[in-house]
Amino acid sequence: GAVVSQHPSWVICKSGTSVKIECRSLDFQATTMFWYRQFPKQSLMLMATSNEGSKATYEQGVEKDKFLINHASLTLSTLTVTSAHPEDSSFYICSAREIGSGGLRQPQHFGDGTRLSIL
Amino acid sequence: DAKTTQPPSMDCAEGRAANLPCNHSTISGNEYVYWYRQIHSQGPQYIIHGLKNNETNEMASLIITEDRKSSTLILPHATLRDTAVYYCIVSDSGGSNYKLTFGKGTLLTVNP
Repeated sequence: GAVVSQHPSWVICKSGTSVKIECRSLDFQATTMFWYRQFPKQSLMLMATSNEGSKATYEQGVEKDKFLINHASLTLSTLTVTSAHPEDSSFYICSAREIGSGGLRQPQHFGDGTRLSIL
Repeated sequence: DAKTTQPPSMDCAEGRAANLPCNHSTISGNEYVYWYRQIHSQGPQYIIHGLKNNETNEMASLIITEDRKSSTLILPHATLRDTAVYYCIVSDSGGSNYKLTFGKGTLLTVNP
């Protein structure tokens, strides 16, 4: 089945540093990847849609200069949290959709998430 | 805002079938129904999806009403490892607005 790998799974860093999170589709190609954020006891909130070879589309209220997204290949998207602060601490999850030939729409497959803690 | 309504929680005995309902009365003709689940501290896991016909895979069955305004996810023999939050999502997955909007889902607790 379709596997999405996310790295790192857990990161703790000091306030003001930048953190990069990788999202890879291991056994399929994905033109579109998605980045979500989840705070404790809340549901997933879509942050941005990442398209291979083009700029990401950010949801309303998400700072594009703070959350840099790069989708350089059909199997890799990265999210960089720049100058992270304690309020950025959250569970970040990526997903990817396999390039399909149409018909029954291909579902998104999710990584296992990255728990980011900013001290 | 989520386009679906699910009960906040349900209980099920281990070994019995778990039937999780979902209302999506405003679903449009080109929107699919997707089901995902999230076990604590993990990413969501895809379960099944469908348009109008009932679907079955190795994990579950999806029953969609004829008017498509509601659906039921069936886990035929629930185990303790099926305890999770289950999300029912409708999405036009073929269009440029393909997004998954997660609501609060249903917390299914499978009891021994």
